[in-house]
Amino acid sequence: DQQVKQNSPSLSVQEGRISILNCDYTNSMFDYFLWYKKYPAEGPTFLISISSIKDKNEDGRFTVFLNKSAKHLSLHIVPSQPGDSAVYFCAASDGSWETSGSRLTFGEGTQLTVNP
Amino acid sequence: NAGVTQTPKFRILKIGQSMTLQCTQDMNHNYMYWYRQDPGMGLKLIYYSVGAGITDKGEVPNGYNVSRSTTEDFPLRLELAAPSQTSVYFCASTVSNQPQHFGDGTRLSIL
Repeated sequence: DQQVKQNSPSLSVQEGRISILNCDYTNSMFDYFLWYKKYPAEGPTFLISISSIKDKNEDGRFTVFLNKSAKHLSLHIVPSQPGDSAVYFCAASDGSWETSGSRLTFGEGTQLTVNP
Repeated sequence: NAGVTQTPKFRILKIGQSMTLQCTQDMNHNYMYWYRQDPGMGLKLIYYSVGAGITDKGEVPNGYNVSRSTTEDFPLRLELAAPSQTSVYFCASTVSNQPQHFGDGTRLSIL
């Protein structure tokens, strides 16, 4: 039962254009969503998050959109840069810190390649 | 500030051997987690801890054990290594309402 799905294993874009990475979830209890970025031979690093009470969160070139009715979120990167080339993981939590440490459920990841 | 440190970075085990993957954090985080990542897959939660002395199973705990005797350390034990445990293992830590910080992983091969 894959509760968080990233249906695109890979995405290739030109430098300067927009990158859009998508994520779908099935568990209605999820109320906090995160994107992590991962370079080879390194651990995932936090990029941006969004609470279910919002539908958009922006941080510089990165914007995350949440559509709760569709159980869908997306990460927009504008403009894309070659250094953005990495694997991007979507993750979700039900926010229950006391009982389960707000454990994360991850998607499979999308390999983004930004071509110069 | 070292963050989350995992040792070793690489290890090859024979089937049936045992080993401990070490994880330590210097951020005084009370929450700690162990994940495994198989090729082409997302991270799967093995065990987690909400504080010293408290641990609980995640999604894929079979074949593993953990302990949390201090806030800083959260070792993961493999008792009887099996080929299915070949994976990259990540440790993470955090405090309430903050994103998890990850170590750089331990790449484990079981032959």
